[in-house]
Amino acid sequence: SQQGEEDPQALSIQEGENATMNCSYKTSINNLQWYRQNSGRGLVHLILIRSNEREKHSGRLRVTLDTSKKSSSLLITASRAADTASYFCATADRGSTLGRLYFGRGTQLTVWP
Amino acid sequence: DAGVTQSPTHLIKTRGQHVTLRCSPISGHKSVSWYQQVLGQGPQFIFQYYEKEERGRGNFPDRFSARQFPNYSSELNVNALLLGDSALYLCASSLVGGLGANVLTFGAGSRLTVL
Repeated sequence: SQQGEEDPQALSIQEGENATMNCSYKTSINNLQWYRQNSGRGLVHLILIRSNEREKHSGRLRVTLDTSKKSSSLLITASRAADTASYFCATADRGSTLGRLYFGRGTQLTVWP
Repeated sequence: DAGVTQSPTHLIKTRGQHVTLRCSPISGHKSVSWYQQVLGQGPQFIFQYYEKEERGRGNFPDRFSARQFPNYSSELNVNALLLGDSALYLCASSLVGGLGANVLTFGAGSRLTVL
């Protein structure tokens, strides 16, 4: 079953605008990650935030984590058409099997030129 | 350096048949995980292998099996295919130990269609 749930399911914006996606999860986690998937191909790791971190930046990406609310957000600033993809949050449970991540259903982001 | 490679990229089978999917991890990665992604859903964990042993199994029937070879490559086998097995099958490799163990590098996937 899915662990994380992304919101919104779909997001459509213009180039240059910021895109914000949210993720909620259910159990205690070791870390939370965001992955990107282009059109039914493999997923690409974007960023990892540990359970004791509240915010992390990588280039145009900003991730926040609120463990008390069991939620995370991914902000993509100054979006580009090439950012069009599906974005998934994934959690690694405390004590879970190595390599076992729980993915949400994803947010489909469309960036119009 | 090659990434995670999967084969075949696409295949079509009929109900009741058997399928074998193959995966080669990134050099230096000793852990391999398999995920199933049905259209419109996120990936679901099937198996994780390390040192040729199954280290974790998701909620999938016994028709699904896998193995890992001494060179850390892996095979996923599905018997008695059902229409519902149609999906993108993703292989991912990772380091073992530490935070890197949770960061997965995915292959492009094998798209299975069952008719």
